[in-house]
Amino acid sequence: KQEVTQIPAALSVPEGENLVLNCSFTDSAIYNLQWFRQDPGKGLTSLLLIQSSQREQTSGRLNASLDKSSGRSTLYIAASQPGDSATYLCAVWTGTASKLTFGTGTRLQVTL
Amino acid sequence: KAGVTQTPRYLIKTRGQQVTLSCSPISGHRSVSWYQQTPGQGLQFLFEYFSETQRNKGNFPGRFSGRQFSNSRSEMNVSTLELGDSALYLCASRRLAGGPTDTQYFGPGTRLTVL
Repeated sequence: KQEVTQIPAALSVPEGENLVLNCSFTDSAIYNLQWFRQDPGKGLTSLLLIQSSQREQTSGRLNASLDKSSGRSTLYIAASQPGDSATYLCAVWTGTASKLTFGTGTRLQVTL
Repeated sequence: KAGVTQTPRYLIKTRGQQVTLSCSPISGHRSVSWYQQTPGQGLQFLFEYFSETQRNKGNFPGRFSGRQFSNSRSEMNVSTLELGDSALYLCASRRLAGGPTDTQYFGPGTRLTVL
């Protein structure tokens, strides 16, 4: 059974800092890994999708990497802004299951 | 292009009642999945529909059911509501099933409160 863990559970950083969010998964037989952002009480916004054959994806100030063999992914946020404050979730699509398995999330607060 | 829409956005029900939630996928998307999000359990998969057929089901009791219509719109029904069913119910669509490389796009969710 696939299990996804995110560390840390919460993070507070001053504006302008670069930061890294971590995601680990137990079953390396994944098709892809997706990073989402969720604002309080809202739905999920897809940030980056990394296919199992890829090592990283970039979008603006965001860079996500994937090391499938070790079951790890990181989301790097450069020059953080208060508007980046949200919960970040990673999710994996595992080969045998037609569904996303989500991590527990990292709640990020970027302070002025 | 309109995103995934869910109605209603908020619902308050009492124990024992039933509820129906609706989801309209992005135009051209044929797969609709439902997820339950609670503070204690996080995001959990309920089921996925494609071409009006349930393709996969999560570990939820039979009180949770769903269906998909020919226009890909989907409904989820919960019967005999329990306090523990209070949650944010999220719907997600993707272009086609069988292609796990597709990105899933999520709606804003329906917040269900059971009193």
